[in-house]
Amino acid sequence: EVQLVESGGGLVKPGGSLRLSCAASGFIFSSYTMNWVRQAPGKGLEWVSSISSSSSYIYYADSLRGRFTISRDNAENSLYLQMNSVRVDDTAVYYCTRGGWYPDYWGQGTLVTVSS
Amino acid sequence: EIVLTQSPGALSLSPGERATLSCRASQSISSDYLAWFQQKPGQAPRLLIRGASTRATGIPDRFSGSGSGTDFTLTISRLEPEDFAVYYCQQYGTSPPMYTFGQGTKLEIK
Repeated sequence: EVQLVESGGGLVKPGGSLRLSCAASGFIFSSYTMNWVRQAPGKGLEWVSSISSSSSYIYYADSLRGRFTISRDNAENSLYLQMNSVRVDDTAVYYCTRGGWYPDYWGQGTLVTVSS
Repeated sequence: EIVLTQSPGALSLSPGERATLSCRASQSISSDYLAWFQQKPGQAPRLLIRGASTRATGIPDRFSGSGSGTDFTLTISRLEPEDFAVYYCQQYGTSPPMYTFGQGTKLEIK
């Protein structure tokens, strides 16, 4: 069974940093592109970033303006999102997802709240 | 950048009725790259349809997808109580590679 379990969310002050993690199991992690998708409270879904299976290709939403960094450790079956210089509008549930053309599996999400 | 516009924003129907949800792209997209998701309150989205018309594993056959070019449709033939949720369409862009989601259609019980 495919499982994606996010962790690392919480309350952070504007301008602060946070590192999200996603532990993957039930599939060959090193064979798949992985992504982060977020959802602000009461809002729709927004793609954040994608990383190819070997980390050769990395893409970010333009709105992030270089503040976030996606990475992965295939030996540990883990995906990460380093969030720097966070802003109030980064408040959202962050989902770890598997997939290339479409995210076929999603974790339950981790809530990041940016507030002073 | 391609924009996906879903309509209606909300739809109020009764169990047993047929639901038709629309997703329109701002420019033509490959059907291979169009997917539909269902999201219930407090839950992560679930993949329903991939490649515009292929049901994902375990999805009941009352869900069907169709369309091509700029116009895509998700149809639920006979609504069950568990189908009332928010539905999103999503497309995969290749230049650059990224996901774009529609704003969602909320399917409510009448």
